[in-house]
Amino acid sequence: DTAVSQTPKYLVTQMGNDKSIKCEQNLGHDTMYWYKQDSKKFLKIMFSYNNKELIINETVPNRFSPKSPDKAHLNLHINSLELGDSAVYFCASSQSGYRANEKLFFGSGTQLSVL
Amino acid sequence: AQSVAQPEDQVNVAEGNPLTVKCTYSVSGNPYLFWYVQYPNRGLQFLLKYITGDNLVKGSYGFEAEFNKSQTSFHLKKPSALVSDSALYFCAVRDPRNYGGSQGNLIFGKGTKLSVKP
Repeated sequence: DTAVSQTPKYLVTQMGNDKSIKCEQNLGHDTMYWYKQDSKKFLKIMFSYNNKELIINETVPNRFSPKSPDKAHLNLHINSLELGDSAVYFCASSQSGYRANEKLFFGSGTQLSVL
Repeated sequence: AQSVAQPEDQVNVAEGNPLTVKCTYSVSGNPYLFWYVQYPNRGLQFLLKYITGDNLVKGSYGFEAEFNKSQTSFHLKKPSALVSDSALYFCAVRDPRNYGGSQGNLIFGKGTKLSVKP
């Protein structure tokens, strides 16, 4: 069983479209994250949710809106896609949002290409 | 603000030789330090972490890392490299005093590509 699964694996779309990426974890973790990895492999946090509540919201355009229907799911919706949004988006989870020593479990990534 | 640096974009090693992937950090307090590995088309996988205690930390796949507070370093090492170790390695740091807010994010280095040749 995949611990952190995200769909789709590949997403190719036109500028201006709206798209969503889904993430689910079956580890019973309380905290979930979205990271963006750019073409140079630089990895940066976008959002973090703990028990469905937003706890970290980095400087991300408000075209990006995370939604957590329950603590096992954290979906990422992107409006009005731009060329610069092309990247690999990783979902991750950890046991608890309030323990700084927790390790993260990552999904396999969604490669978004905006044409 | 906390930061982490991986000075090498790529490290090339012959199979069977020891390997070192370098990492230095900047945190005003005592850091929590992590190493993750990313294989092609995969998500990151946890290798090891330093929280407190013994400066030499052992992790998955025979890797270890040494925390050096005076040099603010946390280099990843392995005594004998395997071709299957070829991957992208990320060092990460967190300041536990700021955890819970945006300043307590896990900050990743830019990654070091390890290439092990037969």
